[in-house]
Amino acid sequence: GQNIDQPTEMTATEGAIVQINCTYQTSGFNGLFWYQQHAGEAPTFLSYNVLDGLEEKGRFSSFLSRSKGYSYLLLKELQMKDSASYLCAVRYDSGYSTLTFGKGTMLLVSP
Amino acid sequence: NAGVTQTPKFRILKIGQSMTLQCTQDMNHNYMYWYRQDPGMGLKLIYYSVGAGITDKGEVPNGYNVSRSTTEDFPLRLELAAPSQTSVYFCASSPRESSYEQYFGPGTRLTVT
Repeated sequence: GQNIDQPTEMTATEGAIVQINCTYQTSGFNGLFWYQQHAGEAPTFLSYNVLDGLEEKGRFSSFLSRSKGYSYLLLKELQMKDSASYLCAVRYDSGYSTLTFGKGTMLLVSP
Repeated sequence: NAGVTQTPKFRILKIGQSMTLQCTQDMNHNYMYWYRQDPGMGLKLIYYSVGAGITDKGEVPNGYNVSRSTTEDFPLRLELAAPSQTSVYFCASSPRESSYEQYFGPGTRLTVT
């Protein structure tokens, strides 16, 4: 299978900036997604990268380096409501738009 | 426009029982997916469908079956439930293969005892 690695847990303070990293196997890569999942809820889409570089969307940005098999999600001006699990997911050529998910990074934002 | 809906929200099954998890989407999406999520784990793909009458296995299909007779509905069948199938099940849909995102239903929390 295709391993997708991301840290299990991270903590940060309200108002700070946090970067959540994701590494993946590059063979057959065809796009990377970030989802946010609050406890007991469904995942919701945050961002999509298929080309190298930074995609910015409000307080959230996502970066991709295809040659390194590396992505990060950057969250600025953290708010308490950003406490959630952040899932990195990769689409590979072998599937009909199927995604392979990492285990998720649980982010805890404290006052 | 309700998006993706799933029923039931919660269910407790005894070992060996069977049940069907319902999933319906009203966005006219061709692609639909079933995932399971265990505590501290990512989403694992069980089955997916690229259109009515077409289904295929994902990463963890054993113990499950699906059907896709209409564009809207994609039920997941558990036969002979086992404790290892205790999990949260999410259904998702997307418009087409090149679509960026999948839309997720609220999930079904299943316990097998």
